[in-house]
Amino acid sequence: DAGITQSPRHKVTETGTPVTLRCHQTENHRYMYWYRQDPGHGLRLIHYSYGVKDTDKGEVSDGYSVSRSKTEDFLLTLESATSSQTSVYFCAISEGAVGTGELFFGEGSRLTVL
Amino acid sequence: AQSVSQHNHHVILSEAASLELGCNYSYGGTVNLFWYVQYPGQHLQLLLKYFSGDPLVKGIKGFEAEFIKSKFSFNLRKPSVQWSDTAEYFCAVNEGSARQLTFGSGTQLTVLP
Repeated sequence: DAGITQSPRHKVTETGTPVTLRCHQTENHRYMYWYRQDPGHGLRLIHYSYGVKDTDKGEVSDGYSVSRSKTEDFLLTLESATSSQTSVYFCAISEGAVGTGELFFGEGSRLTVL
Repeated sequence: AQSVSQHNHHVILSEAASLELGCNYSYGGTVNLFWYVQYPGQHLQLLLKYFSGDPLVKGIKGFEAEFIKSKFSFNLRKPSVQWSDTAEYFCAVNEGSARQLTFGSGTQLTVLP
C-alpha cells in the first residue's frame, strides 16, 4: 500500500468551528488531492496540489482551503464548518499528472458537523 | 464540464453470475479512463485503466472493460462474480490534458453466496 496517512480518522465538531485535516505521504509524489465522498455523488474533487505551494480548486472548493508547505503534507481546512460538510474525506496522491497514472488513496477521514 | 454517469446504483447478483456495470462520460476529446473499487471499510484502489491502444482492457481479479469511443462508454465486465467482489465500483475519467479525475457516483455491487 502507498504510504498515505490521514489524520484525524474520525472527528465530530460543531457548526462554526474550524477544522483541519492532514494528509501525509512518504512516497515523494508530486500531486496530492482532496476528495469528499457522499452517497449518490461518488467522489468529488475539492482541491489539489501539483507541487509545494502550488494548488488549484476542484469541483466543490467553496468553504475549503488548502496548503502545501512541504512535499509530504497537504492540509485541508474548513474555516467555519457547516453541516453540509459532513462527509468522508479522502486524500490521494499520484506520481505524475493523473492522466499518466493512477491515484493512490488514503484510508479516509470521517467528519461529522453537528 | 466533464461528467461521468453510472446508471446502475445498486446491483445484486448471485455467485457465478456475469457482471456488466455501465459507465458513460460526456467529453468528446481524448480521455483516460479508470475503474476503481472500494471494498467495505477500505480505501479506493485501481481495478484497471485505459490510456490508448487495445480498447479491451484487462485488470486485476478477472475484471475487464471495453472502451467504445462512439458510445462514450467504458463498461466494466466480469464473467463470473464471487462473494468477495461485493464492493462499490467507481468509473473515473480524465480529459487528456487535465489535471483532474472526475468520478461517477458509484455502483454498489452485492454478490449473494
